[in-house]
Amino acid sequence: DAGVIQSPRHEVTEMGQEVTLRCKPISGHNSLFWYRQTMMRGLELLIYFNNNVPIDDSGMPEDRFSAKMPNASFSTLKIQPSEPRDSAVYFCASRGETTEQYFGPGTRLTVT
Amino acid sequence: GDSVTQMEGPVTLSEEAFLTINCTYTATGYPSLFWYVQYPGEGLQLLLKATKADDKGSNKGFEATYRKETTSFHLEKGSVQVSDSAVYFCALKAGAQKLVFGQGTRLTINP
Repeated sequence: DAGVIQSPRHEVTEMGQEVTLRCKPISGHNSLFWYRQTMMRGLELLIYFNNNVPIDDSGMPEDRFSAKMPNASFSTLKIQPSEPRDSAVYFCASRGETTEQYFGPGTRLTVT
Repeated sequence: GDSVTQMEGPVTLSEEAFLTINCTYTATGYPSLFWYVQYPGEGLQLLLKATKADDKGSNKGFEATYRKETTSFHLEKGSVQVSDSAVYFCALKAGAQKLVFGQGTRLTINP
C-alpha cells in the first residue's frame, strides 16, 4: 500500500498566484481530510469529505481557499490568490472504516 | 465543544530518562483517544489508541491509559531514546465526528 500521496512536496510561489495541492487517499478509504500546520496555530482542520461530499468546511480560512473531491481517489486544495500568510505545511489524511487517520507526507508551501 | 489540552513543550530529556506527556480532554459522550507522533519532515503517524475507559494503548514502549474519572490520557515511556525525538499530539474522536487534536508537544532527547 502506497499510503496517502501528496503532490507537490514543496511549492514556492509568488503572492497573488494560484496554488493547487493534490492528494490521493488510500484506496478504499471513504473519508478525506485537509489540514494546515504552522508554528503559530499548530494543526488546523480545514475541510473534510465523506464519500466525496464535503461534510465540514468550517475551518477553511476564507473564500480564497477551495477544495474539491471529484472522485474517491483524488482531491485538490486550491488557494487563489495566494498570500504570504498562507505559507504552511498542508497535510492530507484519509480514513476507512476504522477510526485511524493516515496522513500523507505533506506539502510545504512558501508564498513570497 | 470537544477539546484536548496537552502539556506545553518543548520537553528536553536525556537518553534513558522516564517520559510523561500530559493530556486531558473535554468531550460529550465517550470518545476514542489517540496519540499521534510526527517525526521531522513527515506527516503524523498513529502511535497508540484506546477506545474505552480503562483501556491501555501501547506501542514501541509507549503507553497511555484512558482514565474517564480524570478525563486524561497521559503518554509514558520508561526509557526514551534519541530516536523518540518528535512532536507528539493527543487527539480524541467522539462518534462519527472528526479528530480533535491538542496543540502538540515537541520532545527532544539528548544522548
